[in-house]
Amino acid sequence: ETGVTQSPTHLIKTRGQQVTLRCSSQSGHNTVSWYQQALGQGPQFIFQYYREEENGRGNFPPRFSGLQFPNYSSELNVNALELDDSALYLCASSQDRVSYNEQFFGPGTRLTVL
Amino acid sequence: EDKVVQSPLSLVVHEGDTVTLNCSYEVTNFRSLLWYKQEKKAPTFLFMLTSSGIEKKSGRLSSILDKKELFSILNITATQTGDSAVYLCAGSLTGNNRKLIWGLGTSLAVNP
Repeated sequence: ETGVTQSPTHLIKTRGQQVTLRCSSQSGHNTVSWYQQALGQGPQFIFQYYREEENGRGNFPPRFSGLQFPNYSSELNVNALELDDSALYLCASSQDRVSYNEQFFGPGTRLTVL
Repeated sequence: EDKVVQSPLSLVVHEGDTVTLNCSYEVTNFRSLLWYKQEKKAPTFLFMLTSSGIEKKSGRLSSILDKKELFSILNITATQTGDSAVYLCAGSLTGNNRKLIWGLGTSLAVNP
């Protein structure tokens, strides 16, 4: 059974650029949630995808968008990057929409915006 | 506004000590309280608490929820250096809202 993987591990971008982060869910999981964790803060929920449809969204602007593919892997896209977007981006997969106790996190992507 | 507050923000103890981490919450449509341990990057799940007064236990870690007073505690007995991490708690909501409300975490350092 493979765990949750994310790529890239680290990324440096400049303001105004666009970025795509990727997440492969754990085998057998159909739900992926994305979180943003700024330094010294708890994770903030961005959105969740269930069977390729968005299923819940946090307080993030529309320039944060996502996709889920038929194999349940997912992408997080951020347009028009701002300095405050610098953070650790975590994805978590689970077997269904309500299994919070079985939400497995990936290692994260550290995004730095200069 | 929904919020989760953890205390203390950081804690330094010696191996063998017992620690208690606190988490209070004000969450409308509260469903459950979750504890995670975050070492380097990915948070790992510890406990999910939905019922008041029922202790969840896993080895040296235990946790309990008080839904009347709106708080939870996480106890770690006989601490080890491997317990050094940030401990996060989060509140989940009922209904179709999938987001978790996270605290800032308690940074625990266990010195040998």
